[in-house]
Amino acid sequence: DVKVTQSSRYLVKRTGEKVFLECVQDMDHENMFWYRQDPGLGLRLIYFSYDVKMKEKGDIPEGYSVSREKKERFSLILESASTNQTSMYLCASSPNRGGYTFGSGTRLTVV
Amino acid sequence: QQQVKQSPQSLIVQKGGIPIINCAYENTAFDYFPWYQQFPGKGPALLIAIRPDVSEKKEGRFTISFNKSAKQFSLHIMDSQPGDSATYFCAASIKTGANNLFFGTGTRLTVIP
Repeated sequence: DVKVTQSSRYLVKRTGEKVFLECVQDMDHENMFWYRQDPGLGLRLIYFSYDVKMKEKGDIPEGYSVSREKKERFSLILESASTNQTSMYLCASSPNRGGYTFGSGTRLTVV
Repeated sequence: QQQVKQSPQSLIVQKGGIPIINCAYENTAFDYFPWYQQFPGKGPALLIAIRPDVSEKKEGRFTISFNKSAKQFSLHIMDSQPGDSATYFCAASIKTGANNLFFGTGTRLTVIP
């Protein structure tokens, strides 16, 4: 069964901490994405990557960075966590011209 | 700016009813329109998708209707069941290498037994 695995289901961090969210896919997909999901706002794209070491900003990149050193792994970094980054974070991967496969999400709370 | 507009935000139907969720877009370059289903505590999962060369696609109890001239598409769930209670997202993508999807804001569907 193909999978996108996010390293943590729940995470609680303090304001100002550097936070790493990890995502691994086993489908050899070219594209990987990070979204955040908030009630009433749907899924908003933070960053995406279409190849190793390549990254592109999405709709809401401020306060985030990403890293893709290997094809199967895409990391989201919160440089200095703030309370307005409390959210559900979803990672997804896709082949070119195909549907997305999502991970189960990481619910991050910043206190 | 929301590239794909989805309505309603929430929907409650009786078991056996036919909930309809609507989406609209402006960008005529969109050429792939999937629907995703999300259960609580899970990530969204691809449910059904359509390309603009057809007006309707059925998979089991789920049907997408597509109106290219109106730039609208909708999801119909026949004989809805309590197990269909979930959040549904429509989406659209442009033919690019990165395959970016633009999502609607989601519809929370509740099917009452």
